[in-house]
Amino acid sequence: GQQLNQSPQSMFIQEGEDVSMNCTSSSIFNTWLWYKQEPGEGPVLLIALYKAGELTSNGRLTAQFGITRKDSFLNISASIPSDVGIYFCAGHGRDMRFGAGTRLTVKP
Amino acid sequence: DTAVSQTPKYLVTQMGNDKSIKCEQNLGHDTMYWYKQDSKKFLKIMFSYNNKELIINETVPNRFSPKSPDKAHLNLHINSLELGDSAVYFCASSPYWGTGELFFGEGSRLTVL
Repeated sequence: GQQLNQSPQSMFIQEGEDVSMNCTSSSIFNTWLWYKQEPGEGPVLLIALYKAGELTSNGRLTAQFGITRKDSFLNISASIPSDVGIYFCAGHGRDMRFGAGTRLTVKP
Repeated sequence: DTAVSQTPKYLVTQMGNDKSIKCEQNLGHDTMYWYKQDSKKFLKIMFSYNNKELIINETVPNRFSPKSPDKAHLNLHINSLELGDSAVYFCASSPYWGTGELFFGEGSRLTVL
C-alpha cells in the first residue's frame, strides 16, 4: 500500500519558535492534508492542498503541496503553548493514508 | 451540537466477548469511515461506506463487521475480542466520496483484558 514517511517524529521547542515538519511518499497523491490531534480528541483538519505547487496558509500555519505530488510540508510560525498536539499528514488518492505523526511539545 | 458522535467513549471488556461501537453524524455527509489508532498513534483505515454501501474493506479480520443502517450511521461490531484489538477506534465522515476532508468523532477507547 501507499506509505507516508513523516518527520520528525517529535519536536520540543520554545514558545515563539517556528516549526517545520514534512511528509514524503513513494506514490503520487491527488490531495495532501494536514490534521492536528489533541489528547482525548479526534484529528481535526488544518489545511487541505489540491494542486501540485500549491502554497496555502491558515493563520500561523503554512503548508505546501510538493511539485512532484509525492511530498508536503507544514510550517507553524511563532509557536504558542496551544499548538501542542500530534500533527498528521495525509495523502488522498484511492483512499486516505496517514503519516505516523509529529508530536509537538511547546515550552512556555 | 456534536457533528460526529461515537458511543461508548470507553469500553473495557474481556477477551472473547462481543462488543459494538456506534457512530452517528448530523452533517448530512455521504461517506463514513472507521479508523483504528494503535498505541503508537498510527491511524489505519478499516472501512469506508458511501451512501450505505461498503467501498473500502481493508485487511481487517472478519471478526469486525461494519453496518450502515442509513447514511447518518455507521456501527462497528467486533466478535470474539482479542488482546490486540485494544486501541482507539475513530469514526469519521466526509461530504462525499473522493475527498480527504474528514470530520472525526472523539474516539472510542477499547481495552481488552
